[in-house]
Amino acid sequence: NAGVMQNPRHLVRRRGQEARLRCSPMKGHSHVYWYRQLPEEGLKFMVYLQKENIIDESGMPKERFSAEFPKEGPSILRIQQVVRGDSAAYFCASSPPSRARADEQYFGPGTRLTVT
Amino acid sequence: GNSVTQMEGPVTLSEEAFLTINCTYTATGYPSLFWYVQYPGEGLQLLLKATKADDKGSNKGFEATYRKETTSFHLEKGSVQVSDSAVYFCALSLIEYGNKLVFGAGTILRVKS
Repeated sequence: NAGVMQNPRHLVRRRGQEARLRCSPMKGHSHVYWYRQLPEEGLKFMVYLQKENIIDESGMPKERFSAEFPKEGPSILRIQQVVRGDSAAYFCASSPPSRARADEQYFGPGTRLTVT
Repeated sequence: GNSVTQMEGPVTLSEEAFLTINCTYTATGYPSLFWYVQYPGEGLQLLLKATKADDKGSNKGFEATYRKETTSFHLEKGSVQVSDSAVYFCALSLIEYGNKLVFGAGTILRVKS
C-alpha cells in the first residue's frame, strides 16, 4: 500500500513564477491537509480539502495561494508570483475515512520550494 | 485558542539513556493528542496517539499518557538508540476543527553512541 506521494520533492522557482505542488493521498483516503514548515517557525496548517471541496482554508495566505482536490487526480497547491518568503517545505497529509481513525494523518515526504 | 508547547531542544543523550520530552497543551475542547517524528529530509511519521484522558499511547518503546488534569502529554522512552535521533513534534487535533493538527515547535533529539 503506497504512502502519500508528493512531487516534485524539490522545486526551484525565480521570483514572480508559479509553483505547483502535487499530492496523491494514500489509497482509500479522501481527506487531504496541507501544511507549511517555514525555517524557525514550525509546522502550520494551511488548508483542508475533501474531493471537490475546500473544507477549511483558514491557514492559507489571502493572496497568491490556492488549493484544489479534483474528483480525479492529485490535490494541487498552487502559489502564484512566488516571493522569497514562500521558500519552505510543504507537506501534504491524508486521513482515512473510518470514524475511529479520522484524526490520524499520514504525511508525504514534502516538497521543498526554493525561491531565488 | 488551541496551542501546544513543548520543551526546547536540542536534547542530547547518550545511548541507552532515559528520554523525556515535555509537552503541554491548551484546547477549547477535548483534543486528540499525538507525537510525530521527523527524520532528516523526510516527512512526519505518526509515532503514537491518545484520544481520551488517562489513555497511554505507545509504539517502538515510546510512550505518552494523556493527562487531562495537567493538560500534558509527555513523551518517554526507557533506553534511546542512535537511530532515535530526529525531531519530535507534539500535536493536537479537535474534531470540531476538522481534525487539523496544531503542532508544537518540535524538539531535536541527538543520541550519541
